[in-house]
Amino acid sequence: DAGVIQSPRHEVTEMGQEVTLRCKPISGHNSLFWYRQTMMRGLELLIYFNNNVPIDDSGMPEDRFSAKMPNASFSTLKIQPSEPRDSAVYFCASQTGTSGRNEQFFGPGTRLTVL
Amino acid sequence: AQKITQTQPGMFVQEKEAVTLDCTYDTSDPSYGLFWYKQPSSGEMIFLIYQGSYDQQNATEGRYSLNFQKARKSANLVISASQLGDSAMYFCAMRPPGAGSYQLTFGKGTKLSVIP
Repeated sequence: DAGVIQSPRHEVTEMGQEVTLRCKPISGHNSLFWYRQTMMRGLELLIYFNNNVPIDDSGMPEDRFSAKMPNASFSTLKIQPSEPRDSAVYFCASQTGTSGRNEQFFGPGTRLTVL
Repeated sequence: AQKITQTQPGMFVQEKEAVTLDCTYDTSDPSYGLFWYKQPSSGEMIFLIYQGSYDQQNATEGRYSLNFQKARKSANLVISASQLGDSAMYFCAMRPPGAGSYQLTFGKGTKLSVIP
């Protein structure tokens, strides 16, 4: 079975440009998470979707960040305009059900570099 | 608020030896779940093991086991018979296990290096 799929794996862009990260969760998983990982702050939850609906976006740093989940098999995280401090690894994760016992399955991540 | 502390930034272990990675946590919730993830140099996060706060026995998954001491609020990961492929970052995480809970709080991680 395919795991969580993210694209692109690496993205290098210039400050001010729009960046779109993509995620395909594991089929049948109804919870989707976007995380950001940096050396300074570790892993931070940006936004959580359940059944395609954003439930908690309190981790989204500012209005430059937006996320959508138009259907159960696709989500995007957009940064517009991008800034150098957005450089990080962005992970998408999915989970089946809403039980706290269920583990989250992570994608391979997108390494974003903003010059 | 929940907090996870991993006090060992880096650890070394000889191949085939056992190693314990420390994790302490702080929560006011009476029930919670604890997770360990592995992050190799390739970057992906791999789920290793789960322990529920009310589980009667310590969790085990192959060479991974959890030394869960609820009174001490610690959930240390034990890796037996270390292999070179175990070299990676290891993250401890926690969240309430109730239905609808989702917020995973991660520690800063421990970098494990297995020496041949």
